[in-house]
Formats: sequence, structure tokens, C-alpha cells
Amino acid sequence: ETGVTQTPRHLVMGMTNKKSLKCEQHLGHNAMYWYKQSAKKPLELMFVYSLEERVENNSVPSRFSPECPNSSHLFLHLHTLQPEDSALYLCASSQEEGSGSYEQYFGPGTRLTVT
Amino acid sequence: GQNIDQPTEMTATEGAIVQINCTYQTSGFNGLFWYQQHAGEAPTFLSYNVLDGLEEKGRFSSFLSRSKGYSYLLLKELQMKDSASYLCAVRDTNYQLIWGAGTKLIIKP
Repeated sequence: ETGVTQTPRHLVMGMTNKKSLKCEQHLGHNAMYWYKQSAKKPLELMFVYSLEERVENNSVPSRFSPECPNSSHLFLHLHTLQPEDSALYLCASSQEEGSGSYEQYFGPGTRLTVT
Repeated sequence: GQNIDQPTEMTATEGAIVQINCTYQTSGFNGLFWYQQHAGEAPTFLSYNVLDGLEEKGRFSSFLSRSKGYSYLLLKELQMKDSASYLCAVRDTNYQLIWGAGTKLIIKP
């Protein structure tokens, strides 16, 4: 148990659907992340929230919309996705303090299939 | 650009030793991480190096040479449960992690 939970674990959606992914961390961390993991590719950082403010969005398409209502919860709202968006979406959290070595703790991920 | 290279796949025998290499070119350096990821599961933290040298943690050790942009993860006394992907990640100037594609390690009896 890593202290980071994600729901749902699996999601199949059509290109016209709207859905949301949820992440919750129980570790008291102050930063949360969304990553996309496709087969045989490096983890792609999508969004970073530090102290509930978005720090980085890395040119992610607007069909992905993050929301961080508080330091423990993170959402990824999805709409009009494309088949190439099918991937594993991972949420992570960390405690960011200056130049510390604080590692990121990952949730189990949501396996998304866009049909 | 930023780039992290590691072998795609390696095979080793149970009880043996294996070394997984990682080379990087990034905009700044604020530490290097190794993570383990079993199929269908979340990555889990293994080690962190920010200074040159070897960090040992049980059966796992990680080495860093900043001047060469090089790190390796050494796994000793391999067990079947060590079959997994091993991810190398570098923390850049903005303190964000840049990830390699991972090395799939296959352990054979």
C-alpha cells in the first residue's frame, strides 16, 4: 500500500464521452502529479500541482483538464479523447521542500481505453 | 534536448548479479532515482543518488558518475520476484523528473 489511491482502475470510454479520473493521497504531501504511461515509452509528465497551484502542464492537449481542490485530491477530467490517448494514467505525490530528495509515491494507475 | 537511455530488456539467472545502466543528458541535475515497476503495478522507489559514488541498500546498489552522465543499478542474489521493469529518472533544473523508458528484467530459473 503506497498511500496513493486512484479510481477507477479501468475505464473504457468512447470518443464523445466525458469522464473523470480521481486520485487521493493519504501521505500529507504537498505536491501531486499526473503521468501518462504508454507501452515502451518513458513516463510523460502531464501536470504538476504544488501547494494546490498548477506548476507545469507540459503542453498537454486541452481535452485533458486537471483539478486540484485541496492538497489531498487530484482529478483529471477527460472529454472528446482520441484512441491514441489510451494508456495507463498514473498519479503520484511527493513532499517538496527546497532541494530535498523526496521521492514520488505512485498510485496503481487507471488503465484507459478509448474506443 | 533531454534524454535518458537505458537498455530495453535484459535477462539474468536466479541467484546471479545484474547491472542495469542508465546514461542521461539533461538541463541541470538535481539527483537520479531508480524505480521498480512490476507488470500492472505502480512504480516503487528503490534508490536516490545526488553525489558521485555507490549507495548500497540490501541486495540493491546504485552508482552515479555526474561527470559521465552515468548511473547503474546493481542487483545481487537475484530472485524470481525481481522480474520487473526498472526505471531511471533524473531530476532537472526545475526539480521535475525526466524518465527513461525502463529496462525490462527477465529472471530465469
